[in-house]
Amino acid sequence: DAGVIQSPRHEVTEMGQEVTLRCKPISGHDYLFWYRQTMMRGLELLIYFNNNVPIDDSGMPEDRFSAKMPNASFSTLKIQPSEPRDSAVYFCASSFDPHTDTQYFGPGTRLTVL
Amino acid sequence: DQQVKQNSPSLSVQEGRISILNCDYTNSMFDYFLWYKKYPAEGPTFLISISSIKDKNEDGRFTVFLNKSAKHLSLHIVPSQPGDSAVYFCAARGSGGSNYKLTFGKGTLLTVNP
Repeated sequence: DAGVIQSPRHEVTEMGQEVTLRCKPISGHDYLFWYRQTMMRGLELLIYFNNNVPIDDSGMPEDRFSAKMPNASFSTLKIQPSEPRDSAVYFCASSFDPHTDTQYFGPGTRLTVL
Repeated sequence: DQQVKQNSPSLSVQEGRISILNCDYTNSMFDYFLWYKKYPAEGPTFLISISSIKDKNEDGRFTVFLNKSAKHLSLHIVPSQPGDSAVYFCAARGSGGSNYKLTFGKGTLLTVNP
């Protein structure tokens, strides 16, 4: 299995631009998680999906952030408009059943907003 | 307010010696604890976990100890190897049916010197 796939691996953009991060979970995993890692706050959960339905988005910082999962093999995290404070590493993770199974993380997308 | 704290940002040990990484938590509702390991430019990978009904879990060179009364857990690596050099994250999960949210500490950078 290829594991969780994220694209792009690096993204540099200017303040005010729209940014879209992509994730392909491991096949058969019904749960998908989006995390953000910063020096100040560490690794924090933004949102998670079960069977393509958003379950808990309480970690999404602002309305500028949105996430979708149109099908079982694809999810996006969008920031519009982006701001310098959004600069971070964004991880996607998936799990078969997070109650009994671990979460498998992708390699992350390093976002820099100038 | 950090619910999971790793107070040592870094730790350096000699190859062959024991590495002890510590983690404290404040939320008494946490009932499952995990350690993840992260290499540069990669996502975190699951290492070992422990349920609150246990006080010790061992997997090869890795042992996690849980002291519920002190709200403290530790990861022991014996013997330490240079390949263990990475950032180690402590994570915790609450009880309750659909609560799959993991709360992470900020991580401890372990360096194992040859």
